[in-house]
Amino acid sequence: DQQVKQNSPSLSVQEGRISILNCDYTNSMFDYFLWYKKYPAEGPTFLISISSIKDKNEDGRFTVFLNKSAKHLSLHIVPSQPGDSAVYFCAARNTGNQFYFGTGTSLTVIP
Amino acid sequence: NAGVTQTPKFRILKIGQSMTLQCTQDMNHNYMYWYRQDPGMGLKLIYYSVGAGITDKGEVPNGYNVSRSTTEDFPLRLELAAPSQTSVYFCASRGRGGNTGELFFGEGSRLTVL
Repeated sequence: DQQVKQNSPSLSVQEGRISILNCDYTNSMFDYFLWYKKYPAEGPTFLISISSIKDKNEDGRFTVFLNKSAKHLSLHIVPSQPGDSAVYFCAARNTGNQFYFGTGTSLTVIP
Repeated sequence: NAGVTQTPKFRILKIGQSMTLQCTQDMNHNYMYWYRQDPGMGLKLIYYSVGAGITDKGEVPNGYNVSRSTTEDFPLRLELAAPSQTSVYFCASRGRGGNTGELFFGEGSRLTVL
């Protein structure tokens, strides 16, 4: 069973506009949620995270929103830049320190 | 800073062969993880370790073994390679403290089993 789901395999956005990437999860015991960015032939790199006790975390152009009642989180990138083009993975951590990943969303920012 | 180092980066195996993927980290992290990523799929947890001498199964452990004799090293062993183990393997680590829960990943090891 996929505990973390990203239902959009790809997203295209014009440069300067907002990118919104979505993620859903099923396990209410997850205590941390994270977003990773991955370029081809590289390992994922950490982008931003949010604790389950918060509903928003912001870091520069990146903001993550958490809706616990809906078991949904989203990553907002404003403004989007061509260098943001990559695959974005949503991840969640359980209390046993296991991390579960979604299938990824490939973001293309069009100049 | 080396971070998490994986070797080899690429390997081709024949069915039934064995090999070890090496992973070492220099950040004194307690937690280490092995993931595999298949095309179009997310990362699936194979094994993880919360400290030296302690390992546990993840989502897809069949066909693999691990050991954690030191804090730095977490090798992944494939005993009888099968085509289904063709994948990209990522090792990751994290420290015990901190408030982000962040994992640090290696660059990956691409394995093909023919």
